[in-house]
Amino acid sequence: AQTVTQSQPEMSVQEAETVTLSCTYDTSESNYYLFWYKQPPSRQMILVIRQEAYKQQNATENRFSVNFQKAAKSFSLKISDSQLGDTAMYFCAFVNSGGGADGLTFGKGTHLIIQP
Amino acid sequence: GAGVSQTPSNKVTEKGKYVELRCDPISGHTALYWYRQSLGQGPEFLIYFQGTGAADDSGLPNDRFFAVRPEGSVSTLKIQRTERGDSAVYLCASSLESRETQYFGPGTRLLVL
Repeated sequence: AQTVTQSQPEMSVQEAETVTLSCTYDTSESNYYLFWYKQPPSRQMILVIRQEAYKQQNATENRFSVNFQKAAKSFSLKISDSQLGDTAMYFCAFVNSGGGADGLTFGKGTHLIIQP
Repeated sequence: GAGVSQTPSNKVTEKGKYVELRCDPISGHTALYWYRQSLGQGPEFLIYFQGTGAADDSGLPNDRFFAVRPEGSVSTLKIQRTERGDSAVYLCASSLESRETQYFGPGTRLLVL
């Protein structure tokens, strides 16, 4: 079975600091997709970043970047120059690109708090 | 363009009642997903539609839960004989194709009293 583990239930940093959220996953497949989603109090899940497992280059989106370590099955999210609007729940998610379950498998989330 | 929409935003019902939750996906997206998110947890997959057919319903917890997508666009999640344990946020997502990036709606918060 596929599992996603987020070991940090809550993190708090000062505005403008850099913060890294950790995520590990377990799968027997070699081709898959990994995602980070942000969920503010409004409940809307917003895509932050996506990584294809076959790509060695780490994905980046403006202040957001990932450290994808395929052998270690690790997929951490780095947020640079953190802003108050980054305060939210962050979920790591996974889906195989071939067979297996079609839906995303999510971790339990990390509550990120950006302090002014 | 318009994102995924879900109605109602909130639903309060009594134990034993029947409820329907609606999802309107992004236009042109063939894949549609339902998830359930309990308090303090990540979303859990319920069911996936490709077009009109339920391609994967392995996440439905029991036969009280059923979903349809008759014309390959709007989907309705139906819950019969609701129980207090069904209280959660129900999220809908759509994607252009299966296993592509999923875009989520704002969810329906269901409270069963």
